Amino acid sequence: AQSVTQLDSQVPVFEEAPVELRCNYSSSVSVYLFWYVQYPNQGLQLLLKYLSGSTLVKGINGFEAEFNKSQTSFHLRKPSVHISDTAEYFCAVSDNNAGNMLTFGGGTRLMVKP
Amino acid sequence: EPEVTQTPSHQVTQMGQEVILRCVPISNHLYFYWYRQILGQKVEFLVSFYNNEISEKSEIFDDQFSVERPDGSNFTLKIRSTKLEDSAMYFCASSDRALQNTGELFFGEGSRLTVL
Repeated sequence: AQSVTQLDSQVPVFEEAPVELRCNYSSSVSVYLFWYVQYPNQGLQLLLKYLSGSTLVKGINGFEAEFNKSQTSFHLRKPSVHISDTAEYFCAVSDNNAGNMLTFGGGTRLMVKP
Repeated sequence: EPEVTQTPSHQVTQMGQEVILRCVPISNHLYFYWYRQILGQKVEFLVSFYNNEISEKSEIFDDQFSVERPDGSNFTLKIRSTKLEDSAMYFCASSDRALQNTGELFFGEGSRLTVL
């Protein structure tokens, strides 16, 4: 069975500072990894995904994530955040045994302060 | 930009009542999903639907739940007899292909269900 752990429930950061949101997963087979963002009063929007190939994945809004198989991690990073990045971020995993089912982490609230 | 739309945005109901949550997926999408998020908890998979039948469902999706695509555009989630623990945000999603085939899930804004 799959599981996803987002260790930080909240991450406060000042504007223009770098940020890393941590995600660790467990799965017994090859995985597909996703980061979603949820802005206030909106649905979940895909930021980026890893299916195969290069372990460094670039997404929208300047975010990127690195798949690290040995550490079973898929941390999300941005070198310089904006106030508008304030949102809830969800890491999710699927694998060949899961079909079209996504397993989500608990979410990390990114709070960007001026 | 095409989007998934959900109605109602918020529904309050009495325990034991039937509830239908409606979703209009993106028009050329073939895969449809329902997820839910109980306040303060993780987003959980309920069910996926493809080719007019359920393709996967979780343990949460028991006999109280059903899904339907009644008219080729809507995708509904019915809860037959609501319980207090069904209170949650319910998200509909759709995709044009399977996740493993570079499919991307597009989510709606959610329907908040409050059971009293």
